[in-house]
Amino acid sequence: QSVLTQPPSASGTPGQRVTISCSGSSSNIGSNTVNWYQQLPGTAPKLLIYSNNQRPSGVPDRFSGSKSGTSASLAISGLQSEDEADYYCAAWDDSLNGPHWVFGGGTKLTVL
Amino acid sequence: EVQLVQSGAEVKKPGESLRISCKGSGYSFTSYWISWVRQMPGKGLEWMGRIDPSDSYTNYSPSFQGHVTISADKSISTAYLQWSSLKASDTAMYYCARQGTVAGDYWGQGTLVTVSS
Repeated sequence: QSVLTQPPSASGTPGQRVTISCSGSSSNIGSNTVNWYQQLPGTAPKLLIYSNNQRPSGVPDRFSGSKSGTSASLAISGLQSEDEADYYCAAWDDSLNGPHWVFGGGTKLTVL
Repeated sequence: EVQLVQSGAEVKKPGESLRISCKGSGYSFTSYWISWVRQMPGKGLEWMGRIDPSDSYTNYSPSFQGHVTISADKSISTAYLQWSSLKASDTAMYYCARQGTVAGDYWGQGTLVTVSS
């Protein structure tokens, strides 16, 4: 199982707002920033949110991120059909034998 | 334009060796670490390890330590992931990703490795 915990699935109708949670621990989310990645079917992951709540240029402001304690969340407002994808959270984990990059198990978003 | 271009799909038999590559361009290759990430069929992302191309320092996930080797040749801006003896369970898509202040800001297109007798 993954170090970070995400719900396996989420869904919403066009125009709706959906949120995806990501739960970790003090050694990862609790002490490091969280990134979110979008993986469209058959493509490589793409950076969606970095440093908890920052959007790379080109990412619509419909996507937003937040973090509190050892949990983080991704919100998508004004849901569109092209948002149907897998979403992953990630953070560095401060382990004893060096930093490790850890991921959530991924959340499959379905636009109904 | 920053690009990470990976080598093509591979089909191998169990026990064979393999090295796949990831060539960076459009940025200073030695200024960013390169990580390798595995995605098994229908599954999520797993970090395997990373390399600092400036001095080839590596750190590995415990899950992959001893099973793969990550290396780099900074003279040709290329990072590598290699296996000495493949298993069927190594069948997966493998991605390289750039790591700087922002981890995973750019990704390669992926290399599909199929291991089958």
